[in-house]
Amino acid sequence: DVKVTQSSRYLVKRTGEKVFLECVQDMDHENMFWYRQDPGLGLRLIYFSYDVKMKEKGDIPEGYSVSREKKERFSLILESASTNQTSMYLCASSFGDSKEQYFGPGTRLTVT
Amino acid sequence: AQSVTQLDSQVPVFEEAPVELRCNYSSSVSVYLFWYVQYPNQGLQLLLKYLSGSTLVKGINGFEAEFNKSQTSFHLRKPSVHISDTAEYFCAVSEVVAGNMLTFGGGTRLMVKP
Repeated sequence: DVKVTQSSRYLVKRTGEKVFLECVQDMDHENMFWYRQDPGLGLRLIYFSYDVKMKEKGDIPEGYSVSREKKERFSLILESASTNQTSMYLCASSFGDSKEQYFGPGTRLTVT
Repeated sequence: AQSVTQLDSQVPVFEEAPVELRCNYSSSVSVYLFWYVQYPNQGLQLLLKYLSGSTLVKGINGFEAEFNKSQTSFHLRKPSVHISDTAEYFCAVSEVVAGNMLTFGGGTRLMVKP
């Protein structure tokens, strides 16, 4: 079974802090994704990566950056957290050309 | 670019009743279609997918969906729901040719009442 893990289930940070969200997958998937989930808006893609050190902007990249130094790990960085980044963050991965994505349990981030 | 509309944000239903969750999409090219389910405090898991072939797709937990190209719909159905089906359901679309990205609808919260 594919396993996607996220470093924290719940996180509380203060405005202006730098925040790191970590995601690890154990199935050697090439593609990894970061989404944020907000009520009524579904999932919106922040960034994705199709290979080590490669990244592409999604629909809402502003205020975020990412890092992929190893194939299994994809990090989402909030350089200076703001209250409007309070959300559920979901990581996903997929293999090659497959459209099927496997999701982690999510990190609920609260910025106060 | 494609888009997905889930017409109902919440669907309350009594246990053992049938349910239909509606999904419409918009795309100028051929697409693949997915339904994901998110149980409380969990990530998303794949319920079913349409890639090609028969337009009636069966998934896990007794759910099925029908792809209707002329109406650009992919509605999810279950003939008899259980309390354990209470969850949020997301419809998603991906272009056949381009990229690995999914575009998600806004989600439908299914609330099964005893």
